Amino acid sequence: GDSVTQMEGPVTLSEEAFLTINCTYTATGYPSLFWYVQYPGEGLQLLLKATKADDKGSNKGFEATYRKETTSFHLEKGSVQVSDSAVYFCALSRGGGTSYGKLTFGQGTILTVHP
Amino acid sequence: SQTIHQWPATLVQPVGSPLSLECTVEGTSNPNLYWYRQAAGRGLQLLFYSVGIGQISSEVPQNLSASRPQDRQFILSSKKLLLSDSGFYLCAWTPGPEDHEQYFGPGTRLTVT
Repeated sequence: GDSVTQMEGPVTLSEEAFLTINCTYTATGYPSLFWYVQYPGEGLQLLLKATKADDKGSNKGFEATYRKETTSFHLEKGSVQVSDSAVYFCALSRGGGTSYGKLTFGQGTILTVHP
Repeated sequence: SQTIHQWPATLVQPVGSPLSLECTVEGTSNPNLYWYRQAAGRGLQLLFYSVGIGQISSEVPQNLSASRPQDRQFILSSKKLLLSDSGFYLCAWTPGPEDHEQYFGPGTRLTVT
C-alpha cells in the first residue's frame, strides 16, 4: 500500500538558518503530494502542494518539488523564523474514485527555531 | 469562502460516559468528510470518512462511531468512553472526487479521566 516517510526529528535550528525536511513516498501511479503544518494546539493547515512530476509547490517562503524519479518531496526554506516552529507533515493522495480522497500521512517532523 | 467548525474545543469526560463531537462545513455542498485522531501531537490516524449523507466508512475497529445526518454535518460518537479514547480529534473535508487536498478544522482536545 501507499506510505510516506519523513526524516526523524526533532529538528532544531537558529533563526535565519536553512531548512530541509526530507520526505519520500511509496505509491503506484501519480499521487498528489502535500505539506501540512500544525502549530501548537491547532488543526493542520495546508502549506503547499504539487499534483504532478516536476511541479514545485511554494508558499510563505517554503518550497518543495515533486521528484518522480526519486519519489521525494523535500520541504525547504532559505531562512527560517521563530514563528516557523511547528510540526510539519508530508502527505499523499490518490484523489477520488476508490481512494475516496483519503490522505496518507508521514509521522510528522517537529521543528523548533531559536532566536 | 468555505469554513469548517468543530465543537467543543476541549472536553474532559469520565470513563464510561458518552461522547458526541460535531463538525460542520460552510460554503460548500456534498463534501467528503473525515475524522482523524492524533495522539501525542504527532501521527494522524484516519477513523472514519463519508462521501455522502448516511454513508460512513470505518478505517479501524474501535469504540467510536460516526454519523452524517446532513450534507455538511459529521458527528463522532461513543456510548462509553475508554481512557484510550483521549486525544486530539480533527475533522477534515475535501470538495469532491476530483479534489485531492483536505482542509482541517481546529480540532477537539478530549481527555478521558
